[in-house]
Amino acid sequence: DVKVTQSSRYLVKRTGEKVFLECVQDMDHENMFWYRQDPGLGLRLIYFSYDVKMKEKGDIPEGYSVSREKKERFSLILESASTNQTSMYLCASSNPTGATNEKLFFGSGTQLSVL
Amino acid sequence: AQKITQTQPGMFVQEKEAVTLDCTYDTSDPSYGLFWYKQPSSGEMIFLIYQGSYDQQNATEGRYSLNFQKARKSANLVISASQLGDSAMYFCAMREITGTYKYIFGTGTRLKVLA
Repeated sequence: DVKVTQSSRYLVKRTGEKVFLECVQDMDHENMFWYRQDPGLGLRLIYFSYDVKMKEKGDIPEGYSVSREKKERFSLILESASTNQTSMYLCASSNPTGATNEKLFFGSGTQLSVL
Repeated sequence: AQKITQTQPGMFVQEKEAVTLDCTYDTSDPSYGLFWYKQPSSGEMIFLIYQGSYDQQNATEGRYSLNFQKARKSANLVISASQLGDSAMYFCAMREITGTYKYIFGTGTRLKVLA
């Protein structure tokens, strides 16, 4: 079974801490994404990566950075966590088809609480 | 600007009945794809169904069908014979061919199936 695995389902951190959210996919996908999900706002793209060491900002990159040293792993980093970063974080991957039918495969999400 | 609108924050349906979840979209790109994803309480987003803008027929996948009305820019999801396991959040999403890595998500509809 193909899988996108996020390292933690629930995470509680203090303001000012550096937080790492890890995501691993076993489908050899080139594209990987980090989304943030908030009630009433849907999913918003933070960053995506289309190749190892390649990344592009999404719609809400402020306060976040990413790292992709290996094809299967995409990390989201909160340099100094703040309470407004309390949210559900979803990792996704896809294989580029060059067409509109390229679907996303998601992990189970990490519910991050920053206190 | 690209946009997905889901106007129903929550819906109830009786078990075994059909339900329609609404989705309207806005795009100026002639080539685009529309997706529906299901998010159960476990958190993982599950792909349900896809419709391409040039597809002549409405997409169907088992109990799921997509009522695609291009002129109205609507892509409603129809679930037939609802089951208790259908209780979840449902997201409509769009991908344009020109927005290489970008998917736009709606705010979601929470469906509750009643026994």
